[in-house]
Amino acid sequence: NAGVTQTPKFRVLKTGQSMTLLCAQDMNHEYMYWYRQDPGMGLRLIHYSVGEGTTAKGEVPDGYNVSRLKKQNFLLGLESAAPSQTSVYFCASRSAGPEEKLFFGSGTQLSVL
Amino acid sequence: EDQVTQSPEALRLQEGESSSLNCSYTVSGLRGLFWYRQDPGKGPEFLFTLYSAGEEKEKERLKATLTKKESFLHITAPKPEDSATYLCAVQVAGGTSYGKLTFGQGTILTVHP
Repeated sequence: NAGVTQTPKFRVLKTGQSMTLLCAQDMNHEYMYWYRQDPGMGLRLIHYSVGEGTTAKGEVPDGYNVSRLKKQNFLLGLESAAPSQTSVYFCASRSAGPEEKLFFGSGTQLSVL
Repeated sequence: EDQVTQSPEALRLQEGESSSLNCSYTVSGLRGLFWYRQDPGKGPEFLFTLYSAGEEKEKERLKATLTKKESFLHITAPKPEDSATYLCAVQVAGGTSYGKLTFGQGTILTVHP
């Protein structure tokens, strides 16, 4: 019963490098989200998707791109990493049930030097 | 602008000492208010969804309540295993909300034996 799986768990980048974070869910959820969590800032929405082939901007989208080529996968890309993108990144998917729960992955801790 | 404010930022309790966490919100229209629990190094885990003022939900030692301006998470006779960060989030009403949540900064709860 995997739920939402994020890879990698940890990563260190140098300024200007690129990387992709992978999120996979096995619950057949339509909606998926990428959040970042910073001390004192709470969770902030970066991008989201309401279905395969669709993406949309959230609260803090600058410097990030996303793709949802398959329903179960949601990728977050950093084309040219900056120190301000040092954060913990969480992927989530949403159930369609009455409680509209978000299921979160375990997070990716990213440091940009 | 939608805002969610949680208080206190941190709360230390003795085992068995009941207390409450507060979540005040300002939104154009509320679809739902959510409580999550987050353990260190992990993603948030769903606790409750509340949809209308006066609604209450319970789970073990936790009880969540909702008014038109705030929500309370009451913890009765807490145990050390209740130690975690508790996050409050709101979803605004409207057809384009797509399940997007606005989170508060969280309350760090520590329960001492």
